Amino acid sequence: GAVVSQHPSRVICKSGTSVKIECRSLDFQATTMFWYRQFPKQSLMLMATSNEGSKATYEQGVEKDKFLINHASLTLSTLTVTSAHPEDSSFYICSARALGQGDEKLFFGSGTQLSVL
Amino acid sequence: KQEVTQIPAALSVPEGENLVLNCSFTDSAIYNLQWFRQDPGKGLTSLLLIQSSQREQTSGRLNASLDKSSGRSTLYIAASQPGDSATYLCAVRPPPGNTGKLIFGQGTTLQVKP
Repeated sequence: GAVVSQHPSRVICKSGTSVKIECRSLDFQATTMFWYRQFPKQSLMLMATSNEGSKATYEQGVEKDKFLINHASLTLSTLTVTSAHPEDSSFYICSARALGQGDEKLFFGSGTQLSVL
Repeated sequence: KQEVTQIPAALSVPEGENLVLNCSFTDSAIYNLQWFRQDPGKGLTSLLLIQSSQREQTSGRLNASLDKSSGRSTLYIAASQPGDSATYLCAVRPPPGNTGKLIFGQGTTLQVKP
């Protein structure tokens, strides 16, 4: 099946620093990628949708200037958490929809556990 | 606004038992419903996907049902094994479906004891 690679799997950073998370589709082209966030004991919540070559669409309540999303190619999307604070500590996970394979299947990365000290 | 709820939040069973995980959603207008497995600190593995026009899907020891009118889905696991221990997530995709957005429940954490 299709593989989505997400890095890093875990990151610990100091408050105020920026963290970049990468999501790559390894064996298919992803026209659309989705970024989710999961706080402990809560469900995955969609943060934003990114389409290759265009600006991301953010869900209500998600600060676009804080969570910068870049989808510069059909195989790579990045999420940058700028000026991270302890409340940004969470599990971030991406998913990708394959080009030309309909809209039924989404493939998920392995997630990134972010801890901000 | 679509909301997805999973009951129970946690479940512990002895090996070999058959079990049922429940998922309910508030808006019956869905494009499809998907069950995922999530292992600690890891990504999601898709288990079963049920289109809105379908009533059930089966894969090995897993069977998922969908009752759109009542806003419910169940995941049945037969002859549970310790390797089935994980968190199971139910997710609904709202129409029109081409957005790819999923709305997740909080999950049921399953522990199967040897």
